[in-house]
Amino acid sequence: AQRVTQPEKLLSVFKGAPVELKCNYSYSGSPELFWYVQYSRQRLQLLLRHISRESIKGFTADLNKGETSFHLKKPFAQEEDSAMYYCALSPAGYGNNRLAFGKGNQVVVIP
Amino acid sequence: DAGVIQSPRHEVTEMGQEVTLRCKPISGHNSLFWYRQTMMRGLELLIYFNNNVPIDDSGMPEDRFSAKMPNASFSTLKIQPSEPRDSAVYFCASSLGSILSPLHFGNGTRLTVT
Repeated sequence: AQRVTQPEKLLSVFKGAPVELKCNYSYSGSPELFWYVQYSRQRLQLLLRHISRESIKGFTADLNKGETSFHLKKPFAQEEDSAMYYCALSPAGYGNNRLAFGKGNQVVVIP
Repeated sequence: DAGVIQSPRHEVTEMGQEVTLRCKPISGHNSLFWYRQTMMRGLELLIYFNNNVPIDDSGMPEDRFSAKMPNASFSTLKIQPSEPRDSAVYFCASSLGSILSPLHFGNGTRLTVT
């Protein structure tokens, strides 16, 4: 079975500082990795996925199979980035049907 | 589109009572998922449906939990009898069948069992 670990529950950063949310996974096969985000008073929503190789709202994430990691990074944090972030993994080809979430990171951006 | 609609938003009940949570997925989505969120365990998949058929209910904690999807626009998650350890936020999510389609979550139902 797959497992997702997000080691830090709470991360506080100053506005303009870099932010990195760590995500490590354990899965013996080929994974698909995602980051979901929940802003205050909004629904949990997809932020980005590794297969798209995209940058969303300045965030990027690189899948490192050697280190089994999918860390989320942004060079300059903004106040609107304050939210709860969830890393998620699905076995390749299963899409949402086997999606396993980490416990989440609460990010607070200090003005 | 109003998105995935869940009701009620909050539910407070006494131990032993039956609880029914409701979900209306986004029109046209053929997959529906029920998740439970707690501080200790994070987001856990309870059950998911594809084209109204339950596909995997291995995440349902025990027989007190049951879920139905009588049609493409409605699903229920029922707990009978409820226990204090069932207190959590329950999320419903839907998606298209495509592997690349993201999950669309509802606002969740916060359940408190006293």
